[in-house]
Amino acid sequence: EAQVTQNPRYLITVTGKKLTVTCSQNMNHEYMSWYRQDPGLGLRQIYYSMNVEVTDKGDVPEGYKVSRKEKRNFPLILESPSPNQTSLYFCASSKEVAEPSYNSPLHFGNGTRLTVT
Amino acid sequence: AQKITQTQPGMFVQEKEAVTLDCTYDTSDPSYGLFWYKQPSSGEMIFLIYQGSYDQQNATEGRYSLNFQKARKSANLVISASQLGDSAMYFCAMREYGNQFYFGTGTSLTVIP
Repeated sequence: EAQVTQNPRYLITVTGKKLTVTCSQNMNHEYMSWYRQDPGLGLRQIYYSMNVEVTDKGDVPEGYKVSRKEKRNFPLILESPSPNQTSLYFCASSKEVAEPSYNSPLHFGNGTRLTVT
Repeated sequence: AQKITQTQPGMFVQEKEAVTLDCTYDTSDPSYGLFWYKQPSSGEMIFLIYQGSYDQQNATEGRYSLNFQKARKSANLVISASQLGDSAMYFCAMREYGNQFYFGTGTSLTVIP
């Protein structure tokens, strides 16, 4: 089954304790990205990657790190989590498409609800 | 400027009625794609419908249709014959040059029996 798998689904941690949220896709997609969802703010992009070893900042990258060593995996790392990073996080992937038809949708993982106390 | 604007934080609709969720977008690129996603209370993001900037006809997928008005830069989602299971958050998104995706803040739809 084609899917994006992120783990864990729920995570409660304390300020400053490093954590990693894993993300893996089995669709051979070039494009992968991380979003955080907060009430009233919609989905905001944290980082994205167009391919292996290529990553770029999104709109809210501060406090996060990513790596793309393999095409299928795109982990999100919080080196020193703080309470303002409490949020619902989504990993997503998509085929990279060329103009003029950007017709490949994002496929989302089931989300990780992170609480930092 | 916001790339995607959804001005309706919450909407109510009677069961079996049609409802329109508004979305406007901002881009100077001639090539782009527009998407709608549904997020039920369980949290997963479900892709509903796609419209390309060069598509001549409005996209339809079952009870979902996209009212695409290119000159007005709007891409409203129309849900016909609403069902209780349509109660959810709905997000409009755009993909453009560079393969970047941009999302709106969402509209919470409640279907009333």
